[in-house]
Amino acid sequence: AQSVSQHNHHVILSEAASLELGCNYSYGGTVNLFWYVQYPGQHLQLLLKYFSGDPLVKGIKGFEAEFIKSKFSFNLRKPSVQWSDTAEYFCAVNAPNNFNKFYFGSGTKLNVKP
Amino acid sequence: ETGVTQTPRHLVMGMTNKKSLKCEQHLGHNAMYWYKQSAKKPLELMFVYNFKEQTENNSVPSRFSPECPNSSHLFLHLHTLQPEDSALYLCASSPGVAGGHEQFFGPGTRLTVL
Repeated sequence: AQSVSQHNHHVILSEAASLELGCNYSYGGTVNLFWYVQYPGQHLQLLLKYFSGDPLVKGIKGFEAEFIKSKFSFNLRKPSVQWSDTAEYFCAVNAPNNFNKFYFGSGTKLNVKP
Repeated sequence: ETGVTQTPRHLVMGMTNKKSLKCEQHLGHNAMYWYKQSAKKPLELMFVYNFKEQTENNSVPSRFSPECPNSSHLFLHLHTLQPEDSALYLCASSPGVAGGHEQFFGPGTRLTVL
């Protein structure tokens, strides 16, 4: 069965620190990859996505993610976090030939201290 | 506002009650989804509808009964639930079920089963 692993369940950083959240998936074929964010009291929203092409994907609010096929990874990065980045971050995988399935990780809670 | 609304936002029910959750999307999408979000667990995909037809039932107990009268509305009928069914129930929609489409989420219904 396909699965998505997010290794860090809770991350605490100070403002201006760099961020990297890990995401690994288990699926041998072509995948579509997503990062969603859930700010406190708000709905899940898309941060960025990868379908094909350049493995370095840039999203909103200065976030980026790199797809490394050989490592089955899609880590999320931001050079300098802000207090407003405090949220829960979810990695998700979808296989193009399995239209009904979206697999989410268990999420990483990020607390940014001002 | 994502264009996906859910009512009610909070629901407390006893194990013998019957209630329904409602989802409506204003995005002109063709696919709708129900997810269950429990603390410290990955989002669990429950049901998928594409053009009003159910295309996925992810081994969900029969005490959860979905209904999709049209592409804009999705219901989740609940009866004889168990306390372990307490969770946040999320509705999502997408243009279609093709793998590359991102999903747009509603704010969720926080369900507590006593």
